[in-house]
Amino acid sequence: QVQLVQSGSELKKPGASVNISCKTSGYTFSSFPMTWVRQAPGQGPEWMGWINTNTGDPTYAPGFTGRFLFSLDTSASTAYLQISRLEPNDTAIYYCARHKTVITRAPPKFWGQGTRVTVSS
Amino acid sequence: IVLTQSPGTLSLSPGERATLSCRASQSVSASYLAWFQQKLGQPPRLLIYSATSRATGIPGRFSGSGSGTDFTLTISSLEPEDFAVYFCQQYGTSPFTFGPGTRVDVK
Repeated sequence: QVQLVQSGSELKKPGASVNISCKTSGYTFSSFPMTWVRQAPGQGPEWMGWINTNTGDPTYAPGFTGRFLFSLDTSASTAYLQISRLEPNDTAIYYCARHKTVITRAPPKFWGQGTRVTVSS
Repeated sequence: IVLTQSPGTLSLSPGERATLSCRASQSVSASYLAWFQQKLGQPPRLLIYSATSRATGIPGRFSGSGSGTDFTLTISSLEPEDFAVYFCQQYGTSPFTFGPGTRVDVK
């Protein structure tokens, strides 16, 4: 069965960096695009962008450029989200989510459990 | 594309019909509109894709309709496990935006 398992909660100070992993199993990793979603406390989800798991090409939503980096370790079937120069309003739960089908224009169907990132001095 | 959901909160009793609205600021390409259910402490769960297609394992009481800029999620008869927050998402035009959500709670 398809599984996405994310790394654990993080507590960081402003200005630090964080690296979130999303380890997948149960399907061919490089066949399905991976989306990243942020959900701030009490808010709706925000689409951060997606990464082509075949080519490694990322697409970032406006507001998620510069400090945010999507990457892959295809040999480990794992996707990564790195956030640098953390700010307090980066405090949120971050989800990886695999697309329903192999095409870009597909909704995320399989989700990781989420990684809570808290940014506080 | 900005998605607006209404109402913000829907207070209903088990067995009642729930009708949730999602309106887009411009036409959603090819009806690439999805609905998700989210319960506290859990990731979103895909219910409906392509505006009208139920995802695998989703009960028949959930149905989606609409096209263009106006979309609806209907829950024909609320079960206790259906009280949750519901989000729509358009994935036709990048960035693939989410709506702010409708909370369905027990009256």
